[in-house]
Amino acid sequence: EAQVTQNPRYLITVTGKKLTVTCSQNMNHEYMSWYRQDPGLGLRQIYYSMNVEVTDKGDVPEGYKVSRKEKRNFPLILESPSPNQTSLYFCASSPGLGVYNSPLHFGNGTRLTVT
Amino acid sequence: AQSVTQLDSQVPVFEEAPVELRCNYSSSVSVYLFWYVQYPNQGLQLLLKYLSGSTLVKGINGFEAEFNKSQTSFHLRKPSVHISDTAEYFCAVRREYGNKLVFGAGTILRVKS
Repeated sequence: EAQVTQNPRYLITVTGKKLTVTCSQNMNHEYMSWYRQDPGLGLRQIYYSMNVEVTDKGDVPEGYKVSRKEKRNFPLILESPSPNQTSLYFCASSPGLGVYNSPLHFGNGTRLTVT
Repeated sequence: AQSVTQLDSQVPVFEEAPVELRCNYSSSVSVYLFWYVQYPNQGLQLLLKYLSGSTLVKGINGFEAEFNKSQTSFHLRKPSVHISDTAEYFCAVRREYGNKLVFGAGTILRVKS
């Protein structure tokens, strides 16, 4: 089944403790992206990747890191989480945003709470 | 830069009634427009998209949207809603030749019996 898989679904952590949220897609998509969803703000893009080893900042990249060493994986790293990073995070992929304007395929989300 | 405004944060409606979810965008260049739906505890999925051509686009689950260039709007409509349409709906815009998809704040549609 074609899908984007995020892990974990729920995560509670403390300020300053490094964490990684994994994202994997099995559709051979070139484009991958991370969003955070906050009430009243919709989805805001954190980072995106047009292909392997190519990443770029979105609208809210501060406090986050990403890497794209393989096509299928795009982990989101919080080196020193803070309470303002408490949010619902989504990973998404597509064949390429310019390829017939293919829709984004989303994972089911990771709800992160930083205390 | 482009931006998206969804004019209603919540829309309550009775089952079988018609509904319109409003979306306005701003951009100085041509854009592509999308509506996504998010059911509880799930990721987003595409409802419909406007790329070019006919300004009335039809999507899944009986939804349709009309692109109005002069009013810079892309409102979503359904003539008769079901309880199962209860979800959050997001309008999104992408600049032509751009690589960023910008989302609105979302509209929660609550269908009551």
